[in-house]
Amino acid sequence: AQSVTQLGSHVSVSEGALVLLRCNYSSSVPPYLFWYVQYPNQGLQLLLKYTSAATLVKGINGFEAEFKKSETSFHLTKPSAHMSDAAEYFCAVSYPSGGYNKLIFGAGTRLAVHP
Amino acid sequence: DGGITQSPKYLFRKEGQNVTLSCEQNLNHDAMYWYRQDPGQGLRLIYYSQIVNDFQKGDIAEGYSVSREKKESFPLTVTSAQKNPTAFYLCASTGTGQNTGELFFGEGSRLTVL
Repeated sequence: AQSVTQLGSHVSVSEGALVLLRCNYSSSVPPYLFWYVQYPNQGLQLLLKYTSAATLVKGINGFEAEFKKSETSFHLTKPSAHMSDAAEYFCAVSYPSGGYNKLIFGAGTRLAVHP
Repeated sequence: DGGITQSPKYLFRKEGQNVTLSCEQNLNHDAMYWYRQDPGQGLRLIYYSQIVNDFQKGDIAEGYSVSREKKESFPLTVTSAQKNPTAFYLCASTGTGQNTGELFFGEGSRLTVL
């Protein structure tokens, strides 16, 4: 079955440190890949997406992610964490079989940023 | 502004009662979705609809029902058959012609069963 794995349900970094949130997918078919962010008691907001164009994708708020087919990964990074980055982050995939419009989500990673 | 509106934001229900969560969008999107979110489990798909008067079960449809009589509206009913209904419910939509998979989400509805 197609799935998404996010390593680490909780990640804690210092303000100004590198943010690295890991995402791996399981499929031999190239998917579309997404990172969403969720603030407490709110819906999800798209950070960035990969849809088979450039493998390094830049998103909002200084985040970027790199699609690595050989590693089936799509890790999210930000060079310098800000207090406002504290939130829950979800990796998601979609496939041609679902018309690319049926997303499968990972379990989420909660990012804490401390002074 | 265009967007997705979910109501109510918070809802309390007694066991054995059915409740209906509202989802309205003015984005002119064809496809609409309902997800359930539980801590540590991510989002799980309940139902989705790609066109008016048609909808399909997702991964956890048991105990839920939906209707899609208008393009703008996709209400979700949590029935008394749902054994563990306390959760955060998210509605989303996308334009099927885009085929990019980017979903637009509402603010969510938190249901608590007393």
